[in-house]
Amino acid sequence: QKEVEQDPGPLSVPEGAIVSLNCTYSNSAFQYFMWYRQYSRKGPELLMYTYSSGNKEDGRFTAQVDKSSKYISLFIRDSQPSDSATYLCAISRSQGAQKLVFGQGTRLTINP
Amino acid sequence: SAVISQKPSRDICQRGTSLTIQCQVDSQVTMMFWYRQQPGQSLTLIATANQGSEATYESGFVIDKFPISRPNLTFSTLTVSNMSPEDSSIYLCSVTSGRGGFFGPGTRLTVL
Repeated sequence: QKEVEQDPGPLSVPEGAIVSLNCTYSNSAFQYFMWYRQYSRKGPELLMYTYSSGNKEDGRFTAQVDKSSKYISLFIRDSQPSDSATYLCAISRSQGAQKLVFGQGTRLTINP
Repeated sequence: SAVISQKPSRDICQRGTSLTIQCQVDSQVTMMFWYRQQPGQSLTLIATANQGSEATYESGFVIDKFPISRPNLTFSTLTVSNMSPEDSSIYLCSVTSGRGGFFGPGTRLTVL
């Protein structure tokens, strides 16, 4: 069983829609959760970093963590064509200098 | 967030040869991480590079194939040795902090 599972998609939605991206993980030892955006031929860009159950909002992005279900989500409101990218969830066991375990990534396309 | 640069940004190599990838960080860090991203796939950790000690390799990766140097707290190199077409991937350098992981732009390697 993979440590973190993410539906690879692809996911295609119209501009302005709310996008929901999700990951599940298997080990409660993972306590820190991240979402990355990766454009084609670029390195991953950190979007959200959370460690508590609940919601964290940053502009049009909301990260949600449910540790009891081992389930994390990223919501994108008012989606724009520039949001078209691959989104990867990542988890780690502790804060600071720790390796990350990545989901498979979901390829998202926002259609004008 | 850390600023990470990598050289080269891309290369096309012949099988059986070796390529050394450089990673430079704009601040001193204890650990640096090397990831591989195969075409259409997510990121997989190759090894963790600590300054002044041997790198720690993940299952499936060996020092003879991926030797790593870490001469100081801001620089590391990864060598891909005796390359085959299966080594065609993006190689990414990363550091982590208390606010998540940060990545370089990647080195896109094609092995013919």
